Amino acid sequence: DAGVTQSPTHLIKTRGQQVTLRCSPKSGHDTVSWYQQALGQGPQFIFQYYEEEERQRGNFPDRFSGHQFPNYSSELNVNALLLGDSALYLCASTDSRSGANVLTFGAGSRLTVL
Amino acid sequence: AQSVTQLGSHVSVSEGALVLLRCNYSSSVPPYLFWYVQYPNQGLQLLLKYTSAATLVKGINGFEAEFKKSETSFHLTKPSAHMSDAAEYFCAVSDRNQFYFGTGTSLTVIP
Repeated sequence: DAGVTQSPTHLIKTRGQQVTLRCSPKSGHDTVSWYQQALGQGPQFIFQYYEEEERQRGNFPDRFSGHQFPNYSSELNVNALLLGDSALYLCASTDSRSGANVLTFGAGSRLTVL
Repeated sequence: AQSVTQLGSHVSVSEGALVLLRCNYSSSVPPYLFWYVQYPNQGLQLLLKYTSAATLVKGINGFEAEFKKSETSFHLTKPSAHMSDAAEYFCAVSDRNQFYFGTGTSLTVIP
């Protein structure tokens, strides 16, 4: 049973560019959340997608946007990249029907902005 | 607003010694509390969770945590550290849709 898969694992961009990160949730999960983990910090909530809609959003600017597809996979887009966007971006999935409220994380996409 | 505070960004213990990682939470409602572990270049893995069923929660790899409402704490313990326990540990509280993570504690195990 595949867990949460993310791509790419590593990428390097320059300031001002745009990036798209991808996530496939664990089989049977229908809800996807994205977190940003800066070096030496805990993960910070970006937003959550359920039924192809953004259900909740953390304190991140509009440069951060996302999408969820009918197969529950998701994308995170970041526009006009800043040096401070360098971080590990984690995708996590849950099954909204289980009531377990447990996040299953992927290994992350490490973004470096030069 | 919900938050967690992890006391001690770095903890070192000898192999076989007690592991104690501290976490205090702030929550306006009965909390859902979690401990996650992160190994280098990996995502976070759930160690254990508290959902009000029992105050002492047992997790994987011999870890356990005790919920103390009077102290607003949820400290993580393991009786005997193993070299494979070296990792970053995160305490988290959730409001169902959003998790709030602490800044993490890096555990070093000395042989």
